Amino acid sequence: QSVLTQPPSVSAAPGQRVTISCSGSSSNIGSNFVAWYQHFPGTAPKLLIYDDDKRPSGIPDRFSGSKSGTSATLGITGLQTGDEADYYCGTWDNSLSGGGVFGGGTKVTVL
Amino acid sequence: QVQLQESGPGLVKPSGTLSLTCAVFGASLNNTNWWIWVRQAPGMGLEWIGQIYHRGSTNYNPSLKSRVTISLNKSRNEFSLNLNSVTAADSAVYYCARGEYYDLLIGFSYHFDVWGRGTLVTVSS
Repeated sequence: QSVLTQPPSVSAAPGQRVTISCSGSSSNIGSNFVAWYQHFPGTAPKLLIYDDDKRPSGIPDRFSGSKSGTSATLGITGLQTGDEADYYCGTWDNSLSGGGVFGGGTKVTVL
Repeated sequence: QVQLQESGPGLVKPSGTLSLTCAVFGASLNNTNWWIWVRQAPGMGLEWIGQIYHRGSTNYNPSLKSRVTISLNKSRNEFSLNLNSVTAADSAVYYCARGEYYDLLIGFSYHFDVWGRGTLVTVSS
C-alpha cells in the first residue's frame, strides 16, 4: 500500500488531455513539494516535474503540475502515443515513519 | 552529462545479503546531493529504500531500516546498498538515483533528477 494514492490508470485519445491525481496527507504533500516521474518499463525513470510545478530543462510544456492542499495533479496536454507510460508522484514525508514516498503509479494509455 | 550505473549479482539466496553498487559518472559524490536507492518489485510501484548525503548521513525506509545499509566509496565515486536477510519479497529491479533535498522554508524540495537504468535482483535458492 503506497503512502500516496494515484488512480491505477487513465486513458484518452491522441491530442486530448489527461490529468493524474496524487493524494496524500499533511505530513507529505501538505508540507512539502511534489515531483512527478515518467517511467517506461525497462528504462530509467525520468523527472518530469519538481517543486510542484517546475519542469526540468528539456521537458515540453505539454506536461504541467499543480498542487492544492494535500493533493497534486499532473496534466498532459496534446497526448501522444509516446506518452504511454507509468507516471509516479513522489515527495518527502515528515512523519516519524516517513522518508521518501511515492504513489502507486498510474498507467497512461493512449487510445 | 551525469550518468549512474548499477551493478551486482542478479541472484541472491534467501537469508543472504543483497549487495549492489552504483557508479557515478560526470559528477562527484562530494557534491551537495543525496544519493538514493529505489526498487520496484514485479507488478508493483516504486519503493524508496533510503539515501546517503555526501557527508555520510543516511535516512532509511522504516520498513527496511533494520536490514539496510547505504554507504559511500568516494575514492571510486560509487555508493552501495547492502540488504541482509533477504526473502523472495526483496526480488525487484533496483535503481540508484541522484537526489535534491533542501529546505525552501515553506517545505522540503525532494526529487531525483538522474536515475540509473536499474538492475534486476532475484532472491531464490
